[in-house]
Amino acid sequence: GNSVTQMEGPVTLSEEAFLTINCTYTATGYPSLFWYVQYPGEGLQLLLKATKADDKGSNKGFEATYRKETTSFHLEKGSVQVSDSAVYFCASSLNTGFQKLVFGTGTRLLVSP
Amino acid sequence: DTGVSQDPRHKITKRGQNVTFRCDPISEHNRLYWYRQTLGQGPEFLTYFQNEAQLEKSRLLSDRFSAERPKGSFSTLEIQRTEQGDSAMYLCASRLTVAGQNTGELFFGEGSRLTVL
Repeated sequence: GNSVTQMEGPVTLSEEAFLTINCTYTATGYPSLFWYVQYPGEGLQLLLKATKADDKGSNKGFEATYRKETTSFHLEKGSVQVSDSAVYFCASSLNTGFQKLVFGTGTRLLVSP
Repeated sequence: DTGVSQDPRHKITKRGQNVTFRCDPISEHNRLYWYRQTLGQGPEFLTYFQNEAQLEKSRLLSDRFSAERPKGSFSTLEIQRTEQGDSAMYLCASRLTVAGQNTGELFFGEGSRLTVL
C-alpha cells in the first residue's frame, strides 16, 4: 500500500519563525513526493516535489528533502510570513506514471504578525 | 481564467435526491481526476480519466456514484440517492501527460461542496 502521515495542526507561529511540518510515507516501491498548499478560498496547488531519494524540492523559500532512510519528506521554511498561512498537504505517487496522488490529512499553519 | 473550474461551488440537497457536479479541466489536459475531501482530512482519490476513458475507480466510489467524460473534455460526477455521509468537498483536478515528461503536478479546481440534509 501507499500512505502518508503528517503532523496534526494547527501550527501557530509568529512571523519570521522557523517552520517544520513533518511528513512520513509508507510505500511498497519508491514514490514521488509532493507538498501541496491550499490558501483560504483557493484550490490546492503544488508547492514543491521530489522524485527520488536525496532530491530536494524548493519553492517560495520552502524546502523538503526526500529521505529514503527515514521515509520522510519534512517541509521547512527559515522565516515564515503571514501570507504563508494555509493548509499544507503532503502527498505521494507510487509509479512513474503519476497515476494518482495519495494525500496526508493536512496541517494548518497560522502565522501571526 | 484558464484554470480548472467546477460547478456548482456549493450544493445543498435533501437525503435521497440526486446531484450532479461538473468539472471543466484546463483545455489541453488529457487526464482528469475526481477526489473527495471531508472536514479535517486530505483529499481521497475517487476516479480518473485518460481522455474519455475511465481508467480507475476507487472502492470509495459506490454504485450510487457515476462519473463520465463523454468527449474527453468536461466531466460530470453524479451521486444518486444522496446520503448524509456523502457530504464533502468534491475536487476535480487535471493534468497533461506526455510520455517521458510527466511532472506529476495536478491542477485543482476550487471544489464543489455538497451538504446533504
